[in-house]
Amino acid sequence: KAGVTQTPRYLIKTRGQQVTLSCSPISGHRSVSWYQQTPGQGLQFLFEYFSETQRNKGNFPGRFSGRQFSNSRSEMNVSTLELGDSALYLCASSRVEETQYFGPGTRLLVL
Amino acid sequence: TQLLEQSPQFLSIQEGENLTVYCNSSSVFSSLQWYRQEPGEGPVLLVTVVTGGEVKKLKRLTFQFGDARKDSSLHITAAQPGDTGLYLCAGGVPGNTPLVFGKGTRLSVIA
Repeated sequence: KAGVTQTPRYLIKTRGQQVTLSCSPISGHRSVSWYQQTPGQGLQFLFEYFSETQRNKGNFPGRFSGRQFSNSRSEMNVSTLELGDSALYLCASSRVEETQYFGPGTRLLVL
Repeated sequence: TQLLEQSPQFLSIQEGENLTVYCNSSSVFSSLQWYRQEPGEGPVLLVTVVTGGEVKKLKRLTFQFGDARKDSSLHITAAQPGDTGLYLCAGGVPGNTPLVFGKGTRLSVIA
């Protein structure tokens, strides 16, 4: 069974730009969660989608948004990028309230 | 707010040594998961423990969930360079609540 895939793997943007990251969950998994990982803060929860609905949201500004499609694939968008948005963005998928399986992440560098 | 504290933050040992890393909280969790993350990759699930006092073994790795389900430990016997990585613990609670992650223990095993 294929794992969670994330695209792109690496991204370089400049301040003020916007970016869209994509996540394809494991087949049959309907829940997709997004995390931001930085050396100082560790893994921080961004949001979770289930059946195209945002079910939980972390403590991030409105510049961070996401959505989920009917095939469970998910995207997250960050608008007006700031230097502090440089991080590894991880997507995890799961069946309802079960173990999360992570993708390899998208490393975003904001210059 | 539920927090998970991991200790030590960093650990550098010689090949063949034993080590224990800890994951502690003042909150009760219904499950505790351990992940290992290698540079540039997403976390990979090692084990999930759900019962207070539960002990699980995975080859040279032994995981224990505290009786009160507030803490957990990971013990590695005869560490090998392949064990190098960031070890993360994550606590789960029932309902539609995101996992709570610790900041991790970065382990380096030197040959």
